[in-house]
Amino acid sequence: RKEVEQDPGPFNVPEGATVAFNCTYSNSASQSFFWYRQDCRKEPKLLMSVYSSGNEDGRFTAQLNRASQYISLLIRDSKLSDSATYLCVVMTDSSYKLIFGSGTRLLVRP
Amino acid sequence: EAGVTQSPTHLIKTRGQQATLRCSPISGHTSVYWYQQALGLGLQFLLWYDEGEERNRGNFPPRFSGRQFPNYSSELNVNALELEDSALYLCASRSGTYSLYGYTFGSGTRLTVV
Repeated sequence: RKEVEQDPGPFNVPEGATVAFNCTYSNSASQSFFWYRQDCRKEPKLLMSVYSSGNEDGRFTAQLNRASQYISLLIRDSKLSDSATYLCVVMTDSSYKLIFGSGTRLLVRP
Repeated sequence: EAGVTQSPTHLIKTRGQQATLRCSPISGHTSVYWYQQALGLGLQFLLWYDEGEERNRGNFPPRFSGRQFPNYSSELNVNALELEDSALYLCASRSGTYSLYGYTFGSGTRLTVV
């Protein structure tokens, strides 16, 4: 079983749609959680950290359920520029090593 | 503030050769992480250097090695290159203090083995 699992997609949505991505992680000792965004053939960039109480950054909302070991990302009012691969990322041990999911691809169409 | 810089941007090698990839972390960051991203696959953890020492390595053979210099820059060496080593190699840096903010990646070195 992979340490971090995501639906690979692609999710193909029209502009203005709301889309949700889910992610599960296997290690209950995981400490920190993030969503990264990766554009084609580019480096991943931090989108947002995920806090236990849930957090919002503009059109993006992240939720964490430690009991279910489940992380989500909600994107409202999708823009064409949101088209990318979204990576669910977990930091588990004292090495601060990040474990990446394989990513969910989002395509926003006009 | 300069970000994480990696060189070269692209590297083409033949099977059996050695490749050397370089990374300069953000100023003040003492930890450097190396990841491999093969085409269509997720990021796989390779190596972690902190304060000049190798602290952790991923599930890769010993022909993947590296070091960190006193100025915290780092080098990744891949010996006896194989075709499946073709990938994007990403370096990231993190400050010494525990952070909730993940870490910052460089733009990567795209290694092609022919």
